[in-house]
Amino acid sequence: AQKVTQAQTEISVVEKEDVTLDCVYETRDTTYYLFWYKQPPSGELVFLIRRNSFDEQNEISGRYSWNFQKSTSSFNFTITASQVVDSAVYFCALSERRGNKLVFGAGTILRVKS
Amino acid sequence: EAGVTQSPTHLIKTRGQQVTLRCSPISGHTSVYWYQQALGLGLQFLLWYDEGEERNRGNFPPRFSGRQFPNYSSELNVNALELEDSALYLCASSLAMTSGGDNEQFFGPGTRLTVL
Repeated sequence: AQKVTQAQTEISVVEKEDVTLDCVYETRDTTYYLFWYKQPPSGELVFLIRRNSFDEQNEISGRYSWNFQKSTSSFNFTITASQVVDSAVYFCALSERRGNKLVFGAGTILRVKS
Repeated sequence: EAGVTQSPTHLIKTRGQQVTLRCSPISGHTSVYWYQQALGLGLQFLLWYDEGEERNRGNFPPRFSGRQFPNYSSELNVNALELEDSALYLCASSLAMTSGGDNEQFFGPGTRLTVL
């Protein structure tokens, strides 16, 4: 069965600090997809990144970076030089095959204080 | 390009009533997904429609149902509302599962349902 664990319920940082959000997943499939979404107070889920199981290359997009390690079943998300606008709930999600349902972690509330 | 749209934004109903929520996908997307985000329960998958057919269903009772129209918009119907149905209902869309393209799901703003 699929499972996504985000052990950090809430993280508080001061602006300009770096912060890493952890995500650990479980799946029996060899082909799967991992995602990160951001949910600001408005409620709409904003897509951040997708990673395929056969592509372990890490990715950087501006202040965001993602570390995918199949050996530890982890897909961690780092925000460098955090800003107040980064305050939101961040969800990690898993999909076992193309087009299928997303299984979400419980989410991590990130609070960035000025 | 317009994103996923949902209506209504907010809804208040009483126990036992029925409700219909609506979703319009991004142009070119034929897959529509419904999720429930209830307080304390996280985001739970409800239904997936692709090319007009129901492809998968989450662990919800039969009073949760839906359909997808020829223009790929979708409705979620909930009958015999219960207090625990109070939640944010999110709709997402993606390219067709057979498209060979990227399968990211893009979400709408949600419909907040309150059952009294």
